[in-house]
Amino acid sequence: KNQVEQSPQSLIILEGKNCTLQCNYTVSPFSNLRWYKQDTGRGPVSLTIMTFSENTKSNGRYTATLDADTKQSSLHITASQLSDSASYICVVSLNTNAGKSTFGDGTTLTVKP
Amino acid sequence: KAGVTQTPRYLIKTRGQQVTLSCSPISGHRSVSWYQQTPGQGLQFLFEYFSETQRNKGNFPGRFSGRQFSNSRSEMNVSTLELGDSALYLCASSLDPEWSGYTFGSGTRLTVV
Repeated sequence: KNQVEQSPQSLIILEGKNCTLQCNYTVSPFSNLRWYKQDTGRGPVSLTIMTFSENTKSNGRYTATLDADTKQSSLHITASQLSDSASYICVVSLNTNAGKSTFGDGTTLTVKP
Repeated sequence: KAGVTQTPRYLIKTRGQQVTLSCSPISGHRSVSWYQQTPGQGLQFLFEYFSETQRNKGNFPGRFSGRQFSNSRSEMNVSTLELGDSALYLCASSLDPEWSGYTFGSGTRLTVV
């Protein structure tokens, strides 16, 4: 069964600190992995996409890593800001023509002043 | 370019009624998928339409249905509303979910009283 598991479920950090969110998947055949940021009451917004051959990709203070061998990805947030408070969702897409993707339940990050 | 547009933004219905939600995808996107998100829960996949055909379906009762028109606009219908149907309903469009990921709308907040 294709699954995407994210940890931790929730996280509270102080402004300015770094944090790392984890995503483990069993999805196969793998096509790509995306991290989305969802502010409360809004739709998710794509942060980055990782394909099979990519190990690290950065988008400002966000850095995503992918280990396709162990089927793990992480999202590292540097120098957190209050606006980083959101839910972060990991989505893994299958390499088929069926357009299927598996969503993780998300990690809720709260950044406190 | 215009993003994914969902209407209405907010809706209040009573139990037993039916409701229709609308989604206009990004121009050129042929895939439209729908998700339900209840407080504290991850995104639950409802169904995906691709070129007017339902391509994938989640585990929701038959009260939940949808359709896609030739211009790729999509509607979702929920009949015989229950209190538990209160949620944020998100629509996402994609050129090709396997490769280009999803762009989400801001959602429709449905409250059933």
